[in-house]
Amino acid sequence: GENVEQHPSTLSVQEGDSAVIKCTYSDSASNYFPWYKQELGKRPQLIIDIRSNVGEKKDQRIAVTLNKTAKHFSLHITETQPEDSAVYFCAASNAGNMLTFGGGTRLMVKP
Amino acid sequence: GAVVSQHPSRVICKSGTSVKIECRSLDFQATTMFWYRQFPKKSLMLMATSNEGSKATYEQGVEKDKFLINHASLTLSTLTVTSAHPEDSSFYICSAGGGTTYEQYFGPGTRLTVT
Repeated sequence: GENVEQHPSTLSVQEGDSAVIKCTYSDSASNYFPWYKQELGKRPQLIIDIRSNVGEKKDQRIAVTLNKTAKHFSLHITETQPEDSAVYFCAASNAGNMLTFGGGTRLMVKP
Repeated sequence: GAVVSQHPSRVICKSGTSVKIECRSLDFQATTMFWYRQFPKKSLMLMATSNEGSKATYEQGVEKDKFLINHASLTLSTLTVTSAHPEDSSFYICSAGGGTTYEQYFGPGTRLTVT
């Protein structure tokens, strides 16, 4: 089955700096890679996703890159703000089937 | 995005009792629903996948007789934790997906505490 590794597990940045979270996956058949933001006690919220036919996608301060050959994808958050502080999860799936989640990254943005 | 509700949001029960958690997709028909379990400061672990009108597919290590899943309609799936024990205490989250849609929409979660 699919295995998703996520690094780092914790990340502390100064407000205004950029944050990068990286994930690797094992199943070459995976073709959908969402990123979720989860605040304490709340549901995971989809913040951006990418499909395997695209190498990069951007939405305002958030971008995701995908390297299918190397089987890794990354989340980039620019101009971080304190409200970006949360736990971020990457995931991988094959065409609407089950998601396999990474272990999560606790992002702390210091004002 | 689509709206998924979950009920109850929080439940406390005694050991040995059973608890039912409902997951509803409010504005779309979910052909597939997923149940996850999340321990504090940990990732989401898939427990089972349920398709409307058929038996759920359980992940390895998940006891199907303990965690009963029913997906009787395209808008409702239920998870029943039978004979609950303190180690079953956790945050349970459902998600819903539909057809060829890649996205999954998550419910708000249910915090179960077994005393």
